[in-house]
Amino acid sequence: IVLTQTPLSLPVTPGEPASISCRSSQSLFNGDDENTYLDWYLQRPGQSPQLLMYALSYRASGVPDRFSGSGSDTDFTLKISRVETEDVGVYYCLQRIDFPYTFGQGTKLEIK
Amino acid sequence: EVQLVESGGGLIQPGGSLRLSCAASGLTVSRNYMNWVRQAPGKGLEWVSIVYSGGNTYYADSVKGRFTISRDNSKNAVDLQMNSLRVDDTALYYCVRAPPSTLAGRAFEIWGQGTMVIVSS
Repeated sequence: IVLTQTPLSLPVTPGEPASISCRSSQSLFNGDDENTYLDWYLQRPGQSPQLLMYALSYRASGVPDRFSGSGSDTDFTLKISRVETEDVGVYYCLQRIDFPYTFGQGTKLEIK
Repeated sequence: EVQLVESGGGLIQPGGSLRLSCAASGLTVSRNYMNWVRQAPGKGLEWVSIVYSGGNTYYADSVKGRFTISRDNSKNAVDLQMNSLRVDDTALYYCVRAPPSTLAGRAFEIWGQGTMVIVSS
């Protein structure tokens, strides 16, 4: 399964919203449990990645509610309602519906 | 506090072998879904392998037949035996925990700091 993220670079003014797209070559919806197996991760400069969102729209523990995930089947979006300076880094989507798990190529968010 | 500490990285010649280890604290490895994810210098993330709490293992196509993931329950650790190493295996290797949850909840929740593997002659 190939995940394609857009844009690859995203300059944002603090306080403004931001949106990252992740498109899958196959549906990530599991009809058996009605979950969508798409996660989002943030890798801040010089740090290990951290989990932001899992199973499409569930926010990980400690993640601010300005982050949200949405989408269906093959098209997904991570939204940040108001970007803060600490949101700088590379965002990755990951599919877990089938092996091998695959990541998107990453979207670098920077502050204008 | 849950912590994962990787070790075993280093410089190795093409064709050589290396064994990485991930020591866990604050969790029991055998009850979790443990992964290895790698990141080549300046590149994105690549999932490498997983070992289920039940013992099943899965691999990326790029490492299948060359890498083996295993658990050492006595040490509460998960290892990655890497054989027939290639230059394109050069990367920072992260140990990652997915919790013993429903399938939907088994996201990559806890990441170690990584251990660097450099394959070069």
